Amino acid sequence: GAVVSQHPSWVICKSGTSVKIECRSLDFQATTMFWYRQFPKKSLMLMATSNEGSKATYEQGVEKDKFLINHASLTLSTLTVTSAHPEDSSFYICSARKLAASSYEQYFGPGTRLTVT
Amino acid sequence: DAKTTQPTSMDCAEGRAANLPCNHSTISGNEYVYWYRQIHSQGPQYIIHGLKNNETNEMASLIITEDRKSSTLILPHATLRDTAVYYCIGANNAGNMLTFGGGTRLMVKP
Repeated sequence: GAVVSQHPSWVICKSGTSVKIECRSLDFQATTMFWYRQFPKKSLMLMATSNEGSKATYEQGVEKDKFLINHASLTLSTLTVTSAHPEDSSFYICSARKLAASSYEQYFGPGTRLTVT
Repeated sequence: DAKTTQPTSMDCAEGRAANLPCNHSTISGNEYVYWYRQIHSQGPQYIIHGLKNNETNEMASLIITEDRKSSTLILPHATLRDTAVYYCIGANNAGNMLTFGGGTRLMVKP
């Protein structure tokens, strides 16, 4: 199978601080990684798409200066929530698509629960 | 991506088949139907996908109607661990995004 990990699995931070979340594809190379956020009892909302070595593409309404995405290698993407506020508290999930995938399977990480106090 | 419509929730008895319907009447000819599920507080898990033909794997079967306007995911012998939200998604292989709708909350009961 294809395994995607996220670190940390949960984090509590104070308002105004920044938090970095890592997403790693452990046993495959990912051309593209995606970042989603999910509020309680709601569906996943795509935040941005990142391709290795290029700038991320953000969905409408997502502030690129607040949610910094770096995709430095084919196995690692990071999401940094800058100057976090309580409304940023959410479940953040990443996914990765395999390099040269013949189908459109995405492999999801276990998610990171962010709580901003 | 095609818009999909699923029932909000369904119940199924443990050991019985769970049949989860999905309408995707606007699906285009090159869009696949993908199914994912999400167990509480975990990331979504890929289940199965198909284009025209019915598909089966170790997890489930996917039945797609001939006109491709709807499909049904079948869990042949549901267990309590199959309790989850099931998402049906139409996606183009040339694209990248998966657009998640509301999904169906399946509750498997003993």
